[in-house]
Amino acid sequence: GAVVSQHPSWVICKSGTSVKIECRSLDFQATTMFWYRQFPKQSLMLMATSNEGSKATYEQGVEKDKFLINHASLTLSTLTVTSAHPEDSSFYICSARDNKGIYSNQPQHFGDGTRLSIL
Amino acid sequence: EDQVTQSPEALRLQEGESSSLNCSYTVSGLRGLFWYRQDPGKGPEFLFTLYSAGEEKEKERLKATLTKKESFLHITAPKPEDSATYLCAVSIQGAQKLVFGQGTRLTINP
Repeated sequence: GAVVSQHPSWVICKSGTSVKIECRSLDFQATTMFWYRQFPKQSLMLMATSNEGSKATYEQGVEKDKFLINHASLTLSTLTVTSAHPEDSSFYICSARDNKGIYSNQPQHFGDGTRLSIL
Repeated sequence: EDQVTQSPEALRLQEGESSSLNCSYTVSGLRGLFWYRQDPGKGPEFLFTLYSAGEEKEKERLKATLTKKESFLHITAPKPEDSATYLCAVSIQGAQKLVFGQGTRLTINP
C-alpha cells in the first residue's frame, strides 16, 4: 500500500520551455502533497506544501511564479516549471500523505522522482 | 530553530558487521520521527515511524529506537543490498512539513 507514482521519471528539454511533472497517490487519498528538490549528495529541500483545493505554500526563496503547483484532487498534484533554464536542472521529488487532515502525523510516501535536464 | 543532525555522514561496513546510525534532534514539539531509505536515483522509501521515547520498531535487519533527544537505526549483520542513504526526519507540532537530516550514506562491502 501507499504507492505514489511520479511522471515523467526523466525529461530533457530546451531552455525556455515549460515542463509539467505529475504526482499521483495510487491507493490512498492525499489531503497534502509536498514537492522537493534534491541536489547530488544532499538531502531533500522542501519547495512547497500543497493542500487539496487551496493554494500551495512555498518555502522561502522558492519563486511561486516559476514553480506552479496545482492540487485539484485528492490523488493528483502537478508541478510546472515555467520557462525553464539550465539552473533549474535538478532531481524533483513529490510526496503524499494519507488523508487524515492537513496536520496528519502519518508518514509521507514518496514518488521515484523526476530528473530534469535543461539544455 | 528546529534541527535534525545525522551521524556519521558516511559509513562503510563489511558484510555482517553490525552498527548504528544516529539521528539527534532539537525541536519545539516532536510529533513523530521517521526513517527512510533512499537508493541512488530513487525517491525515499518509508521504513519506520516512532512517536514516543522508548518506542522501538523492527524490520528484517533494521531496528529503530527513540529517546527524548535522538533516534538510532541499528543494522544487524548487514548485507550489500542494505547499502543506501538513510534519512531521518521529524514532524513538529503545528507544522505540516518534515524537517530532514542530511542523511547517512551506508556502504556494505561483500
